[in-house]
Amino acid sequence: EPEVTQTPSHQVTQMGQEVILRCVPISNHLYFYWYRQILGQKVEFLVSFYNNEISEKSEIFDDQFSVERPDGSNFTLKIRSTKLEDSAMYFCASGTQGGTEQFFGPGTRLTVL
Amino acid sequence: RKEVEQDPGPFNVPEGATVAFNCTYSNSASQSFFWYRQDCRKEPKLLMSVYSSGNEDGRFTAQLNRASQYISLLIRDSKLSDSATYLCVVNGRTGGSYIPTFGRGTSLIVHP
Repeated sequence: EPEVTQTPSHQVTQMGQEVILRCVPISNHLYFYWYRQILGQKVEFLVSFYNNEISEKSEIFDDQFSVERPDGSNFTLKIRSTKLEDSAMYFCASGTQGGTEQFFGPGTRLTVL
Repeated sequence: RKEVEQDPGPFNVPEGATVAFNCTYSNSASQSFFWYRQDCRKEPKLLMSVYSSGNEDGRFTAQLNRASQYISLLIRDSKLSDSATYLCVVNGRTGGSYIPTFGRGTSLIVHP
């Protein structure tokens, strides 16, 4: 069964450093998403991506964040200068159409020290 | 602010019990609705979509009430493996795309 994969599973970084989180969505999916979940809190939408551009982004997704689909398979989330409060689980998801079911990757746990 | 509200629980039920969760949403323009389950420190996994006519998948039944802006999930004959957090997800449409909003989740503990 096809699945979304994410690397790394855990990333530890120093405050102010740049991190890139990587995702490989399901191959025939066209819509891609990033979410974050701070420990003990709800899943929060960050950004959606379709047809090589951002469709929607939340207020969390400020200038420190960017997304890219550098080739036909990878979908990345970059945080330029990490803050302590960026520590969270980051989930990538993909779907065949907007507004329909999404399939999540296992997540990357980001720890900012 | 567009919110999705769920009773956090935990709902603590014996095996074989029937349990129901509700979820309310504030955005009347919401377009699509889902239930996901999330195990501790794992990713959300799609449980089922929720349709206006209601839908059933085995022991799980989902209902949508657009007038009252709530959705429900009924689990019959609970199994130990049903223990998880159940997330309500509502998609609000903005122009040509959607913004998904998650509830905080309802925790279910099924005990022997």
